[in-house]
Amino acid sequence: DQQVKQNSPSLSVQEGRISILNCDYTNSMFDYFLWYKKYPAEGPTFLISISSIKDKNEDGRFTVFLNKSAKHLSLHIVPSQPGDSAVYFCAAETGANNLFFGTGTRLTVIP
Amino acid sequence: ETGVTQSPTHLIKTRGQQVTLRCSSQSGHNTVSWYQQALGQGPQFIFQYYREEENGRGNFPPRFSGLQFPNYSSELNVNALELDDSALYLCASSLGASGGSKETQYFGPGTRLLVL
Repeated sequence: DQQVKQNSPSLSVQEGRISILNCDYTNSMFDYFLWYKKYPAEGPTFLISISSIKDKNEDGRFTVFLNKSAKHLSLHIVPSQPGDSAVYFCAAETGANNLFFGTGTRLTVIP
Repeated sequence: ETGVTQSPTHLIKTRGQQVTLRCSSQSGHNTVSWYQQALGQGPQFIFQYYREEENGRGNFPPRFSGLQFPNYSSELNVNALELDDSALYLCASSLGASGGSKETQYFGPGTRLLVL
Protein backbone atom coordinates (compact mmCIF):
# COMPACT_ATOMS: atom_id res chain seq x y z
CA ASP A 1 0.00 0.00 0.00
CA GLN A 2 2.01 2.95 -1.34
CA GLN A 3 0.82 6.01 0.57
CA VAL A 4 3.30 8.35 -1.11
CA LYS A 5 3.71 8.13 -4.87
CA GLN A 6 6.13 9.62 -7.33
CA ASN A 7 4.80 8.64 -10.73
CA SER A 8 7.71 9.91 -12.79
CA PRO A 9 10.74 7.66 -12.38
CA SER A 10 12.95 10.05 -14.32
CA LEU A 11 13.16 13.63 -15.56
CA SER A 12 15.68 15.37 -17.83
CA VAL A 13 16.05 19.14 -17.87
CA GLN A 14 18.42 21.57 -19.55
CA GLU A 15 20.76 23.52 -17.31
CA GLY A 16 19.24 26.86 -16.32
CA ARG A 17 15.65 25.72 -16.84
CA ILE A 18 13.12 24.81 -14.20
CA SER A 19 12.84 21.27 -12.80
CA ILE A 20 9.46 20.25 -11.41
CA LEU A 21 9.21 17.04 -9.44
CA ASN A 22 5.79 15.80 -8.39
CA CYS A 23 4.49 13.74 -5.50
CA ASP A 24 1.01 12.50 -4.57
CA TYR A 25 -0.18 11.04 -1.29
CA THR A 26 -3.26 9.23 -0.08
CA ASN A 27 -3.18 9.57 3.72
CA SER A 28 -4.99 12.71 4.89
CA MET A 29 -3.32 12.36 8.31
CA PHE A 30 0.06 13.39 6.89
CA ASP A 31 0.93 16.76 8.37
CA TYR A 32 4.55 17.27 7.36
CA PHE A 33 6.28 16.68 4.06
CA LEU A 34 9.95 16.51 3.19
CA TRP A 35 12.10 16.24 0.09
CA TYR A 36 15.39 14.37 0.11
CA LYS A 37 18.15 14.22 -2.46
CA LYS A 38 20.25 11.09 -2.90
CA TYR A 39 23.53 10.73 -4.72
CA PRO A 40 24.92 7.27 -5.59
CA ALA A 41 26.62 5.50 -2.69
CA GLU A 42 25.35 8.10 -0.22
CA GLY A 43 22.36 8.24 2.10
CA PRO A 44 19.45 10.59 1.41
CA THR A 45 20.08 14.20 2.40
CA PHE A 46 17.32 16.49 3.65
CA LEU A 47 16.54 19.25 1.16
CA ILE A 48 13.40 21.14 2.10
CA SER A 49 10.18 20.59 4.02
CA ILE A 50 6.67 21.99 4.37
CA SER A 51 4.04 21.82 7.06
CA SER A 52 0.47 21.00 6.12
CA ILE A 53 -0.64 24.42 7.36
CA LYS A 54 1.34 26.10 4.59
CA ASP A 55 1.05 25.93 0.82
CA LYS A 56 4.54 27.10 -0.11
CA ASN A 57 8.03 27.05 1.32
CA GLU A 58 11.05 28.51 -0.40
CA ASP A 59 14.76 28.04 0.22
CA GLY A 60 17.05 29.56 -2.36
CA ARG A 61 16.60 27.78 -5.67
CA PHE A 62 14.22 25.24 -4.13
CA THR A 63 10.50 25.78 -3.60
CA VAL A 64 7.98 23.23 -2.40
CA PHE A 65 4.27 23.69 -3.10
CA LEU A 66 1.53 21.81 -1.25
CA ASN A 67 -2.04 21.38 -2.50
CA LYS A 68 -3.86 19.64 0.34
CA SER A 69 -7.18 19.34 -1.45
CA ALA A 70 -5.48 17.47 -4.29
CA LYS A 71 -3.10 15.64 -1.92
CA HIS A 72 -0.27 16.76 -4.15
CA LEU A 73 3.06 18.43 -3.64
CA SER A 74 5.77 19.51 -5.99
CA LEU A 75 9.40 20.57 -5.78
CA HIS A 76 10.58 23.33 -8.10
CA ILE A 77 14.27 23.86 -8.75
CA VAL A 78 15.17 27.00 -10.62
CA PRO A 79 17.58 27.47 -12.21
CA SER A 80 18.58 23.81 -12.48
CA GLN A 81 22.28 23.03 -12.27
CA PRO A 82 24.23 19.90 -13.27
CA GLY A 83 25.04 19.30 -9.59
CA ASP A 84 21.31 18.87 -8.97
CA SER A 85 21.40 15.58 -10.86
CA ALA A 86 20.37 12.98 -8.28
CA VAL A 87 17.42 10.88 -7.15
CA TYR A 88 14.80 12.94 -5.30
CA PHE A 89 12.51 11.35 -2.73
CA CYS A 90 9.32 12.82 -1.39
CA ALA A 91 8.45 11.76 2.18
CA ALA A 92 5.56 12.37 4.55
CA GLU A 93 4.85 11.87 8.24
CA THR A 94 1.97 12.04 10.67
CA GLY A 95 3.98 13.56 13.51
CA ALA A 96 5.05 10.18 14.78
CA ASN A 97 8.44 8.65 14.19
CA ASN A 98 7.70 6.96 10.86
CA LEU A 99 8.55 8.50 7.51
CA PHE A 100 6.75 7.27 4.39
CA PHE A 101 8.83 7.65 1.24
CA GLY A 102 7.90 7.74 -2.42
CA THR A 103 9.76 5.64 -4.97
CA GLY A 104 11.94 8.51 -6.13
CA THR A 105 12.50 10.50 -9.32
CA ARG A 106 15.89 10.52 -11.01
CA LEU A 107 16.66 14.06 -12.17
CA THR A 108 19.26 14.61 -14.87
CA VAL A 109 20.32 18.18 -15.58
CA ILE A 110 21.93 18.41 -18.99
CA PRO A 111 24.74 20.98 -19.32
CA GLU B 1 31.74 16.05 14.31
CA THR B 2 31.53 12.68 12.54
CA GLY B 3 28.68 11.66 10.29
CA VAL B 4 26.59 8.50 10.33
CA THR B 5 28.60 5.45 9.41
CA GLN B 6 27.43 1.94 8.59
CA SER B 7 29.22 -1.38 8.33
CA PRO B 8 29.72 -3.43 6.34
CA THR B 9 29.17 -1.63 3.05
CA HIS B 10 28.25 -4.82 1.20
CA LEU B 11 27.28 -8.27 2.35
CA ILE B 12 26.29 -11.55 0.68
CA LYS B 13 24.35 -14.17 2.63
CA THR B 14 22.40 -17.28 1.77
CA ARG B 15 18.75 -17.93 2.51
CA GLY B 16 18.12 -19.00 6.10
CA GLN B 17 21.22 -17.34 7.51
CA GLN B 18 21.31 -14.52 10.03
CA VAL B 19 22.89 -11.10 9.55
CA THR B 20 23.88 -8.18 11.78
CA LEU B 21 24.28 -4.69 10.39
CA ARG B 22 25.85 -1.86 12.36
CA CYS B 23 25.34 1.87 12.55
CA SER B 24 27.25 4.59 14.37
CA SER B 25 25.21 7.70 15.05
CA GLN B 26 26.22 11.25 14.40
CA SER B 27 27.90 12.70 17.47
CA GLY B 28 25.31 13.97 19.96
CA HIS B 29 22.37 12.08 18.43
CA ASN B 30 20.31 9.77 20.65
CA THR B 31 17.86 8.34 18.13
CA VAL B 32 18.44 5.82 15.36
CA SER B 33 15.96 4.76 12.71
CA TRP B 34 16.43 1.87 10.29
CA TYR B 35 15.03 1.71 6.77
CA GLN B 36 14.96 -0.95 4.05
CA GLN B 37 15.23 0.23 0.46
CA ALA B 38 14.49 -2.45 -2.10
CA LEU B 39 15.61 -1.94 -5.69
CA GLY B 40 13.49 0.70 -7.42
CA GLN B 41 11.63 1.58 -4.23
CA GLY B 42 11.83 4.27 -1.61
CA PRO B 43 13.11 3.58 1.88
CA GLN B 44 10.64 1.77 4.17
CA PHE B 45 10.70 2.34 7.91
CA ILE B 46 11.69 -0.76 9.91
CA PHE B 47 11.94 0.63 13.46
CA GLN B 48 13.36 3.38 15.60
CA TYR B 49 15.39 3.30 18.80
CA TYR B 50 15.40 6.19 21.23
CA ARG B 51 17.66 6.06 24.26
CA GLU B 52 18.11 2.28 23.92
CA GLU B 53 14.38 1.48 23.71
CA GLU B 54 12.38 0.58 20.61
CA ASN B 55 10.22 3.59 19.83
CA GLY B 56 8.04 2.59 16.93
CA ARG B 57 8.03 -0.13 14.32
CA GLY B 58 6.96 -0.40 10.71
CA ASN B 59 5.33 -3.33 8.97
CA PHE B 60 8.22 -5.80 9.34
CA PRO B 61 8.10 -9.28 10.90
CA PRO B 62 9.71 -10.10 14.28
CA ARG B 63 12.72 -11.69 12.60
CA PHE B 64 13.85 -8.08 12.11
CA SER B 65 15.17 -6.95 15.48
CA GLY B 66 17.47 -4.29 16.78
CA LEU B 67 19.53 -2.94 19.60
CA GLN B 68 20.77 0.46 20.63
CA PHE B 69 23.81 0.75 22.86
CA PRO B 70 24.62 3.32 25.57
CA ASN B 71 26.78 5.24 23.08
CA TYR B 72 23.67 5.33 20.82
CA SER B 73 25.18 3.18 18.11
CA SER B 74 22.79 0.53 16.83
CA GLU B 75 22.49 -2.92 15.29
CA LEU B 76 19.90 -4.36 12.97
CA ASN B 77 19.58 -8.15 13.11
CA VAL B 78 17.69 -10.18 10.56
CA ASN B 79 17.10 -13.88 11.19
CA ALA B 80 16.09 -16.59 8.72
CA LEU B 81 17.02 -14.49 5.71
CA GLU B 82 14.74 -14.61 2.68
CA LEU B 83 15.53 -13.69 -0.91
CA ASP B 84 13.24 -10.61 -0.60
CA ASP B 85 15.44 -9.27 2.19
CA SER B 86 17.96 -8.28 -0.49
CA ALA B 87 18.03 -4.49 -0.26
CA LEU B 88 19.94 -1.43 0.83
CA TYR B 89 19.61 -0.96 4.59
CA LEU B 90 19.85 2.64 5.74
CA CYS B 91 20.19 3.94 9.22
CA ALA B 92 19.50 7.52 10.20
CA SER B 93 20.32 9.31 13.41
CA SER B 94 18.69 12.34 14.96
CA LEU B 95 18.46 14.23 18.21
CA GLY B 96 15.07 13.45 19.67
CA ALA B 97 12.41 11.04 18.50
CA SER B 98 9.56 13.39 17.65
CA GLY B 99 8.40 14.09 14.14
CA GLY B 100 9.97 17.52 14.10
CA SER B 101 13.41 16.02 14.26
CA LYS B 102 13.21 14.65 10.72
CA GLU B 103 14.86 17.72 9.22
CA THR B 104 17.95 17.03 11.29
CA GLN B 105 17.90 13.31 10.65
CA TYR B 106 21.10 12.28 8.96
CA PHE B 107 21.34 9.12 6.90
CA GLY B 108 24.31 6.82 6.58
CA PRO B 109 25.41 5.52 3.18
CA GLY B 110 23.75 2.16 3.76
CA THR B 111 24.65 -1.52 3.73
CA ARG B 112 23.78 -3.40 0.58
CA LEU B 113 22.65 -6.94 1.44
CA LEU B 114 22.30 -9.65 -1.16
CA VAL B 115 20.58 -12.89 -0.18
CA LEU B 116 21.21 -15.84 -2.48
